Amino acid sequence: NAGVTQTPKFQVLKTGQSMTLQCAQDMNHEYMSWYRQDPGMGLRLIHYSVGAGITDQGEVPNGYNVSRSTTEDFPLRLLSAAPSQTSVYFCASSYSSGGTLYNEQFFGPGTRLTVL
Amino acid sequence: GEDVEQSLFLSVREGDSSVINCTYTDSSSTYLYWYKQEPGAGLQLLTYIFSNMDMKQDQRLTVLLNKKDKHLSLRIADTQTGDSAIYFCALGDDKIIFGKGTRLHILP
Repeated sequence: NAGVTQTPKFQVLKTGQSMTLQCAQDMNHEYMSWYRQDPGMGLRLIHYSVGAGITDQGEVPNGYNVSRSTTEDFPLRLLSAAPSQTSVYFCASSYSSGGTLYNEQFFGPGTRLTVL
Repeated sequence: GEDVEQSLFLSVREGDSSVINCTYTDSSSTYLYWYKQEPGAGLQLLTYIFSNMDMKQDQRLTVLLNKKDKHLSLRIADTQTGDSAIYFCALGDDKIIFGKGTRLHILP
């Protein structure tokens, strides 16, 4: 199993450009999520999905779109990049969305994004 | 929304115990988690506790949960240099919210 993979590892964008951060998992996990990590701010949830076809907003969704057409993939789209979106982005997946089963999240290696 | 608070830094001498604290506002989470992040890496689950438990022990790790005070702690016994990392508490069922992380620094 490759686990959770993210591409690219690094990306530099100019203000106003759009791009998609890719995330894939091969563990047949239902739950997937995107976080951004900024110094002193910890991890903040951007969007999450409890299964194919279902997505919901997290703490900081503005400026980002997601879709979940398959169980395996959960891409994050930046519509018009801004310097405030400079961050490290982590994708995570887990077997379930909690409740009766604990929700161990498996994290990808991250994408370091710089917006100039 | 959920608010999860941690102190940002902790320095501990090698061999001593480290205690990392976390407070939260929403007590409806079924499980509460501790994750570890080593430099340049993603997060890995360290341990977790079911919300109806007060304590969980796992080798050098002890998790204490005080639901009345909405306080979660992680104790690392006999702290080693390899424990140097950022530790995050996290909770939630559908929406998993993380604290800001506590950077643990080990003094020789």
